[in-house]
Amino acid sequence: LAKTTQPISMDSYEGQEVNITCSHNNIATNDYITWYQQFPSQGPRFIIQGYKTKVTNEVASLFIPADRKSSTLSLPRVSLSDTAVYYCLVGDQAGTALIFGKGTTLSVSS
Amino acid sequence: NAGVMQNPRHLVRRRGQEARLRCSPMKGHSHVYWYRQLPEEGLKFMVYLQKENIIDESGMPKERFSAEFPKEGPSILRIQQVVRGDSAAYFCASRHQQRQETQYFGPGTRLLVL
Repeated sequence: LAKTTQPISMDSYEGQEVNITCSHNNIATNDYITWYQQFPSQGPRFIIQGYKTKVTNEVASLFIPADRKSSTLSLPRVSLSDTAVYYCLVGDQAGTALIFGKGTTLSVSS
Repeated sequence: NAGVMQNPRHLVRRRGQEARLRCSPMKGHSHVYWYRQLPEEGLKFMVYLQKENIIDESGMPKERFSAEFPKEGPSILRIQQVVRGDSAAYFCASRHQQRQETQYFGPGTRLLVL
């Protein structure tokens, strides 16, 4: 499974757009890119998943360049409740275990 | 449609006792994963099960830990003779047979060993 690298922490203010970039230089052809959000004392919550180009849902957007060696999670107009740890993972469709890094701790202030 | 359910949410055990953690996957999901999270760390994979089968237990400690996912009922993670180092949050995730790339997590069980 490809290793991912993402910033340890980020700070933002309410109403701003937040972009968290993840590097995955060794991503394999069959790998998907998935982002999870985790609040303290809760399980990771699936946010978004993509394979290439751009994916958007009601929560976030995921931008993936053509070479797929990185991806950017975009959170529009963050609020205090978006303060959480965000994990970027890559994996294939074989259903194997997910490998979590330390994630990015996003702190949103008023 | 209920999500992944885990119980108990909190469990306190004394050293040497047994801990049994339960996980009910989402409706229609036949694949279950167990992960452990120590304070200030990311989740670490422990074991992957299908109904009545252990598919991958490469992350499971060789002693005292066992897991099962019977044909009927929840998946069980069992820790025998707990030690203080077993104190952690244990998360269960499930996925659909066809959607192999997406796992959905439960709220976790927080185990505290005194």
